[in-house]
Order: sequence, then C-alpha cells, then structure tokens
Amino acid sequence: DGGITQSPKYLFRKEGQNVTLSCEQNLNHDAMYWYRQDPGQGLRLIYYSQIVNDFQKGDIAEGYSVSREKKESFPLTVTSAQKNPTAFYLCASSIDSGGTDSPRFFGPGTRLTVL
Amino acid sequence: RKEVEQDPGPFNVPEGATVAFNCTYSNSASQSFFWYRQDCRKEPKLLMSVYSSGNEDGRFTAQLNRASQYISLLIRDSKLSDSATYLCVVTTGGSYIPTFGRGTSLIVHP
Repeated sequence: DGGITQSPKYLFRKEGQNVTLSCEQNLNHDAMYWYRQDPGQGLRLIYYSQIVNDFQKGDIAEGYSVSREKKESFPLTVTSAQKNPTAFYLCASSIDSGGTDSPRFFGPGTRLTVL
Repeated sequence: RKEVEQDPGPFNVPEGATVAFNCTYSNSASQSFFWYRQDCRKEPKLLMSVYSSGNEDGRFTAQLNRASQYISLLIRDSKLSDSATYLCVVTTGGSYIPTFGRGTSLIVHP
C-alpha cells in the first residue's frame, strides 16, 4: 500500500542537539510539506517542496532546515536554534504541486520532546 | 483577523443528533476548501472537499457560501465514532499553500 512514513514516532532530544526527522512517501507525489502542531493550535507550515532540489520556507522556518534530494524523501532537521522545538511534527504530500490541491496525505507524525 | 477561523468548541451532542460547524475565511480570493478530521494524537485525514455546488458523502454534507465567506460541515445521525476534531482548510490562489484552521472539537456521547 502506498503512503507516507515518518520516523521515529517519538523522539527525545537534549537542548543544544540537532535532530533529523525522516519522511518518506511512495505515492509519487511531487509536493511535500512539513507542519508543526502545538496543543490546541492549528497546523503551521515549516517548509514545503514542490519539486526535487527545490524547497521554500513556510511561516515558521527559523531554526529548521530541509533537503529534497529525492522525490520520495523530505527530511526535516530541527536545529539547536529552534527555541521551542517540543511539538508534534507532521509530514504531508500532495499530487499536484502547481494547482489548487491541498495536502491530501499525512504521515503518522513524530512527537519531539526536548529534555 | 485570522485567515481561517473556527469555533474550537467542544460541541457536545448525543448519538443520533445533527450537528453543524462553520468555518470563516478572510481572503475572498480563496479557491479550494476542504474538511479534515483529526483524532486525538493522530494525523489529520481528508474528510471531504467542498465544492461551490456543495458536497454530500453519506451522513456528511459540506457547503460553501462565497458571499459570506464561510464553509460548513453538517453531520447527521451522529455516531460515537464521529468524536474528533474537524479542521477547515482553505487554499488561496497564487500560492496554493493551504491554511489550516485550529479545528472544532466534537464529542458524541451515548
């Protein structure tokens, strides 16, 4: 079955450490997205990529970095510069990078906790 | 004014009830509209798209009112399993990057 996988499901990090969250999709979707969700809050866009080797900052990109070397993969690195990294991180993909589509498929998410 | 606004609720209804949520959006150039469902500590899942002519899928009906800039979701004959948070999503032309509302919590009780 096609879908999006994220790993790990739970991640604990010490302050000052960089961590990388994995996101892989086998849906052959062009566009991929990273969102952050805090308790009682909506989803906020961190980064998105509409095509391989290209990505754009979202609303809250500071303290994060991404790469899009392969169509299937869009890893997110949470750097030590991110002041409040504890959150639920969701990766998503959509088939249409240039149309009016919306992220249709989300991965199961990674819960990051900074100790 | 926030781009997409939803009443956070919770809406607490008995099984079998009909319940409706609204979602208002601020940008009149918005083009695509969706409802997602999110269960506690899970990822959002697409529930249905919202078309200008309305959209019905079983017990769920979604409608768009462009003049007043809101979309609605109506759930008939509520089930316990309908308990979740319902997210409104709006995409504005130009960027095609959707904006998510904060969600409306629904609790269906026996």
